[in-house]
Amino acid sequence: AQKVTQAQTEISVVEKEDVTLDCVYETRDTTYYLFWYKQPPSGELVFLIRRNSFDEQNEISGRYSWNFQKSTSSFNFTITASQVVDSAVYFCALSYSGGGADGLTFGKGTHLIIQP
Amino acid sequence: NAGVTQTPKFRILKIGQSMTLQCTQDMNHNYMYWYRQDPGMGLKLIYYSVGAGITDKGEVPNGYNVSRSTTEDFPLRLELAAPSQTSVYFCASSYRGGGTEAFFGQGTRLTVV
Repeated sequence: AQKVTQAQTEISVVEKEDVTLDCVYETRDTTYYLFWYKQPPSGELVFLIRRNSFDEQNEISGRYSWNFQKSTSSFNFTITASQVVDSAVYFCALSYSGGGADGLTFGKGTHLIIQP
Repeated sequence: NAGVTQTPKFRILKIGQSMTLQCTQDMNHNYMYWYRQDPGMGLKLIYYSVGAGITDKGEVPNGYNVSRSTTEDFPLRLELAAPSQTSVYFCASSYRGGGTEAFFGQGTRLTVV
């Protein structure tokens, strides 16, 4: 069975601080995909990044960066110089491929609060 | 290009009533999904479809039914609403499975009283 653990239920930081959201996953598949989605207070889910299991390169997109380490089954997300607009719930997810099924296995999410 | 559209956005049902949550996408995606989101619990897969006429159960299918008669539409049916079905429901679609990006609708907030 697949599992995604986001141990941080809520994080609160002051604007301009750096913050890292942790994600640990479990899967028996050798080929899999990891995702991060953002859910702002308006409720929609916004895709941030996808990473496949064969690509362990870190990625940076503006103030966002992702650290994928297969050795520790982690896919952590860092926001540099946080802004109030970054306040949201962030979900880490793993593609589900057990027994021919499809879909995403989500973690429970981390509620990020950026205080001005 | 509207993406994934869900209706209604909000609904209150009485126990035992039935309803259909509508979902349509205009991206010609083969794969469509229904998830439910409970507070503090992330999203769980209810049903999914890999193409018109093909549907399959996800992690939490009990109490729900789906159909997929066209590529565009993937309605979710609740036959006998129960308080445990109070949740936010998200429909999503993707070009293919196996880890391609999924596009989500705005969600339907359902309360069963």
